[in-house]
Amino acid sequence: QVQLQESGPGLLKPSETLSLTCTVSGGSLSRSYWSWIRQPPGKGLEWIGYIYYTGGASYNPSLKSRVTISVDTSKNQFSLKLPSVTAADTAVYYCARASYYDSSGYSFDCWGQGTLVTVSS
Amino acid sequence: QSALTQPASVSGSPGQSITISCTGSSSDVGNYNLVSWYQQHPGKAPKLMIYGGSKRPSGVSDRFSGSKSGNTASLTISGLQAEDEADYFCCSYAGASGYVFAAGTKVTVL
Repeated sequence: QVQLQESGPGLLKPSETLSLTCTVSGGSLSRSYWSWIRQPPGKGLEWIGYIYYTGGASYNPSLKSRVTISVDTSKNQFSLKLPSVTAADTAVYYCARASYYDSSGYSFDCWGQGTLVTVSS
Repeated sequence: QSALTQPASVSGSPGQSITISCTGSSSDVGNYNLVSWYQQHPGKAPKLMIYGGSKRPSGVSDRFSGSKSGNTASLTISGLQAEDEADYFCCSYAGASGYVFAAGTKVTVL
């Protein structure tokens, strides 16, 4: 059974770079998209972007200028970088697998537990 | 403000049926039959319950069903059970915008 686990700093100062890694265990990165999704306190979920195991990525247009998602198949990991963070980037960050389901596009069928990242001076 | 809108809370007694709505626009829910629904218990990772608007992944109870009409998708839970008490949120593919989510609905079993 595939499991995902986020890791990275939980507290950042404004203007620092948010760097998170998601480690995938129990399966490979092949034939799926690997996603980052976040949820600010008291608000809804926001899709940040995803990357295919071969390296092609798509991003939320509202974050595209700031976000980089990368994949390391040798370590079974994928990562998120978000520079110049502000308080508005405070959120629980989830990594998730997006799998293709029989002509129904991609759905997020496996999620990490989430990690809270707080941006505060 | 989320791109999709759900009621903040829905409640029902054991055995009853409840329906959660998810309202979007012609750019997402109305234009694609690609709505998915997720269940999240406190402190747990979200679980995929419905994909493609109305299809259940293997292992999900047939008490959960999905549908769509126009710009609104719906999740119905029939035969409500105590274990169904959780947060539920919908997600839709939105073309060039990628994926959009709702803020979620808290389901309470009375």
